[in-house]
Amino acid sequence: GNSVTQMEGPVTLSEEAFLTINCTYTATGYPSLFWYVQYPGEGLQLLLKATKADDKGSNKGFEATYRKETTSFHLEKGSVQVSDSAVYFCAFTGNQFYFGTGTSLTVIP
Amino acid sequence: EAQVTQNPRYLITVTGKKLTVTCSQNMNHEYMSWYRQDPGLGLRQIYYSMNVEVTDKGDVPEGYKVSRKEKRNFPLILESPSPNQTSLYFCASSTVGAANSGANVLTFGAGSRLTVL
Repeated sequence: GNSVTQMEGPVTLSEEAFLTINCTYTATGYPSLFWYVQYPGEGLQLLLKATKADDKGSNKGFEATYRKETTSFHLEKGSVQVSDSAVYFCAFTGNQFYFGTGTSLTVIP
Repeated sequence: EAQVTQNPRYLITVTGKKLTVTCSQNMNHEYMSWYRQDPGLGLRQIYYSMNVEVTDKGDVPEGYKVSRKEKRNFPLILESPSPNQTSLYFCASSTVGAANSGANVLTFGAGSRLTVL
């Protein structure tokens, strides 16, 4: 069935470190892929998306590329900041929305 | 401002006392959904609705009811709350398009933290 598997956390990085959060999906057809971010005490909000193979979504220095051959959508950022501390969710749309379990990121100064 | 509004934001109640968490969106979205978020379990879908009078069970519907009488509102009803329903609840809405259209972006409410004693 449809599912999302993402890297377990929590992840702790120093400021300016490189970030990768892995995400793979199992889906029928050609879904749209998303990363959502949840800052402390808030609801989820869209971070970036990609709608077809080889598309790259980007926002706030974060990037993710839709890799159909490996069914992956890994999130990357070259230099994290303290303000990036949040929980990150990978997701896709099929007949409904499917979310990963979330990865908590803490960035320390 | 386009938004999803949930109320109450915080609630402490007792076992068996019926409660309703309201959800309203002002974006004319067809799709609405309820999720609960628990530590280590991520987001789990409770119920969703593709349009007025059309609702369907998600992954964890037991103990919950919903209704969709109007397009903008999608209340979550706990007829007889139990302590295992203590959780953080999110309502979300979206347009409905083809799965690969990129149009289906969920807008989330700020969350409702429920404690059942």
